[in-house]
Amino acid sequence: NAGVTQTPKFRVLKTGQSMTLLCAQDMNHEYMYWYRQDPGMGLRLIHYSVGEGTTAKGEVPDGYNVSRLKKQNFLLGLESAAPSQTSVYFCASSYSIWDGQPQHFGDGTRLSIL
Amino acid sequence: KQEVTQIPAALSVPEGENLVLNCSFTDSAIYNLQWFRQDPGKGLTSLLLIQSSQREQTSGRLNASLDKSSGRSTLYIAASQPGDSATYLCAVLNNAGNMLTFGGGTRLMVKP
Repeated sequence: NAGVTQTPKFRVLKTGQSMTLLCAQDMNHEYMYWYRQDPGMGLRLIHYSVGEGTTAKGEVPDGYNVSRLKKQNFLLGLESAAPSQTSVYFCASSYSIWDGQPQHFGDGTRLSIL
Repeated sequence: KQEVTQIPAALSVPEGENLVLNCSFTDSAIYNLQWFRQDPGKGLTSLLLIQSSQREQTSGRLNASLDKSSGRSTLYIAASQPGDSATYLCAVLNNAGNMLTFGGGTRLMVKP
């Protein structure tokens, strides 16, 4: 049981390049989330999904797009990377929000934009 | 906008001490409060989750309390061990269930 798996673990991009971060969960969770973690800012929600085919904006969605074509996968895309998007990105999933189920996190993707 | 603050930002204690980590939030309209542990280079691991109607939760040497009206939570760690060294994060979920707001964390070091 792998839990939440993020790919890749590290990546360096040049300004203006595009890339996609992949999150996969094998727990049959309905809810999935993308966060970024920056020093002094804590974790902030970028986008989330409450089920296959659905996505919604979080606190800091600008510059990112997401897709949830399959229940187990949640993709985060950067169309034109900017240095301000240098961060550690975490994916999380949960079965439900309303019955006290916590979110399960992946180990993160460390992204540097030069 | 919900704001979550954790004090202290860093804490160093000798092994065996009991310790308290503090978390405060500005908007008391929360659905639940969660405490997480984060080890260096790793993701977050859920420790305790307190529903808004509850006052405390316990798991082993950990006890978390919630005073929603005053916007405060504490995480009590009994008989600390070097393996407890990590960053501890608290987070509050809004009533709509779509926003988990995190504090900046307390970095704990337990010295042998």
